[in-house]
Amino acid sequence: GAVVSQHPSRVICKSGTSVKIECRSLDFQATTMFWYRQFPKKSLMLMATSNEGSKATYEQGVEKDKFLINHASLTLSTLTVTSAHPEDSSFYICSAREGRTQYFGPGTRLLVL
Amino acid sequence: AQSVTQLDSHVSVSEGTPVLLRCNYSSSYSPSLFWYVQHPNKGLQLLLKYTSAATLVKGINGFEAEFKKSETSFHLTKPSAHMSDAAEYFCVVPYQAGTALIFGKGTTLSVSS
Repeated sequence: GAVVSQHPSRVICKSGTSVKIECRSLDFQATTMFWYRQFPKKSLMLMATSNEGSKATYEQGVEKDKFLINHASLTLSTLTVTSAHPEDSSFYICSAREGRTQYFGPGTRLLVL
Repeated sequence: AQSVTQLDSHVSVSEGTPVLLRCNYSSSYSPSLFWYVQHPNKGLQLLLKYTSAATLVKGINGFEAEFKKSETSFHLTKPSAHMSDAAEYFCVVPYQAGTALIFGKGTTLSVSS
């Protein structure tokens, strides 16, 4: 089956620094990837849709200047959390679509101190 | 607009007894529907999907779900629970065909011996 990887799996950073999270589709090409955020014991909330070769589409309430998304190739999308603050601490999950099915990465747990 | 409602936030069963996780959906058209499972500190895994073929869908690990248009339901069942089934389960519908997913709030399944 299709596999999606994320790196890193866990990151701790200081407030004010930036963190980049990578999402890769390992055995298929994905023109569209999605970034979700999951708070503890909560459901997943869509942050943005990442389209290869074009600008990402952000959901209402998501700051595009804070959460920078780059989909540089058909197998890689990156999410950069800029000037991170403690309230950005969360579990970030990406997915890549193959046909009608979305395959999810294992997630990245971000802790901002 | 598409939406899903998971009727139970927490379900507890004994090992070997049946599992029922309830999900109702709202859609302006006949949707695709999915069930995903998330084990602690693990990524999301697709359990099964309905895409307007057979209304009874069989998934992995003995789970199945039945699409009932008259009841707008897509409940997940398993005849006999196993300890390894303890996890968070999400009922999911796409915003539109082939796009990002809308997650239900999740149902935590606990299995006791």
